[in-house]
This record gives sequence, structure tokens and C-alpha cells, in this order.
Amino acid sequence: AQKVTQAQTEISVVEKEDVTLDCVYETRDTTYYLFWYKQPPSGELVFLIRRNSFDEQNEISGRYSWNFQKSTSSFNFTITASQVVDSAVYFCALSEARRGYQKVTFGIGTKLQVIP
Amino acid sequence: DAMVIQNPRYQVTQFGKPVTLSCSQTLNHNVMYWYQQKSSQAPKLLFHYYDKDFNNEADTPDNFQSRRPNTSFCFLDIRSPGLGDAAMYLCATSRDGQETQYFGPGTRLLVL
Repeated sequence: AQKVTQAQTEISVVEKEDVTLDCVYETRDTTYYLFWYKQPPSGELVFLIRRNSFDEQNEISGRYSWNFQKSTSSFNFTITASQVVDSAVYFCALSEARRGYQKVTFGIGTKLQVIP
Repeated sequence: DAMVIQNPRYQVTQFGKPVTLSCSQTLNHNVMYWYQQKSSQAPKLLFHYYDKDFNNEADTPDNFQSRRPNTSFCFLDIRSPGLGDAAMYLCATSRDGQETQYFGPGTRLLVL
């Protein structure tokens, strides 16, 4: 069975600080996808990034960057120069291929509070 | 803008009174999913449709049913809501079974 662990349940940072959200996963599949979603207080899950298991290249998108390390089964997410609007719950997720669909397993989420 | 829409955003029902939650999408995606998310927990997949093909997760209670009358709409029916069914219900879609899932804003259900 697959599993996603987000050890940090809550993090508080002061605006403009950098923050890294940790994600460790377990799977027996050789082909899988990893995701990060943001859930603001309104409740909608906003897709941020998808990474497949064969692509270990790090990615940067504006203030967001992701570090995928297969050797340690980690897919960490860094926000540079955090802003108040970054306050949300962030979910790391892992999908495994099933017949006709991808079954997504979410971590418990990390609640990020950015203090002005 | 193409999107996933859920109505209502908040729903209050009484213990045992059937309730239906609605999801629609303008993305023309083949697959639609329903998730249940309880407070401070991760979303949990209840079931999904690939076109008209319905797929139940093994641990989804029989109290939960779903209908997909056409590509755009999907409904979640809770036949006899209990207090433990109070949660956020999230609808998601994907272009096909292997693509990224995009979520609606959710319906928060309260059971009195």
C-alpha cells in the first residue's frame, strides 16, 4: 500500500522568510506521480505541481520550488520570500496507476501560517 | 473560464434525511471523482466515474451513492446521513484516468 507522510502538521513563519514543507512517500510501484496541492481557507484544492517518477529534475516556478529525490523518497516544497497569501494547508499526494484511473493518496497536510 | 462547480457550498441536513450534492464541470473531462474530507484530515476517495463506468472504493459505505447523468454533471447522494458524515465533500475531474485531477470548491455538509 502507498503512504504519504507530512511530518510537519503546522508551521508558522514571518513574512519574507523562506519555508520548506517536507514530504516522504512509500510505494511499490515503479511508475507513479507526485503532487502538491494548496487548500486555502475557502476549501478548494488548488493544483500546484505534478512530477512523474522518472523525472527527478528540480522545478522552480516563481517563488515556489520543488526538490524530488527518489533515493530518499522525498518530494519537498520550498516557498521563497513567503507572503501572507501563502497561508493555507498544503497537501503532498502520490498516485498509483489503477485500471482506468489514478488513485491518489494524500498526506495529512501541513498548515502554513505566514505572519505579517 | 473552464472549471469545476459544486452546489451548494454549504448544506445543512437532519440526521437520517437524504441529501444530494451536485458537481458540474465545463472542462469536458472523462473522469469525475468524489472525495470526503473530514476536519483536519486528508481527502479520501469515495468513488469515481470513467465516462458512465462507476467505480466504488472498497471501504465506501453503502450509504453513499452517485449518479452521472451526462458528461458534465455528477451527483453524490447520501441516503441516511449520520453525524459522522459531516465533512467537506470535494468533486474532482481529470481528462482521462492518467491525468491530473482538478478540484471544485467543495460542499461543506453539516448534519444536525
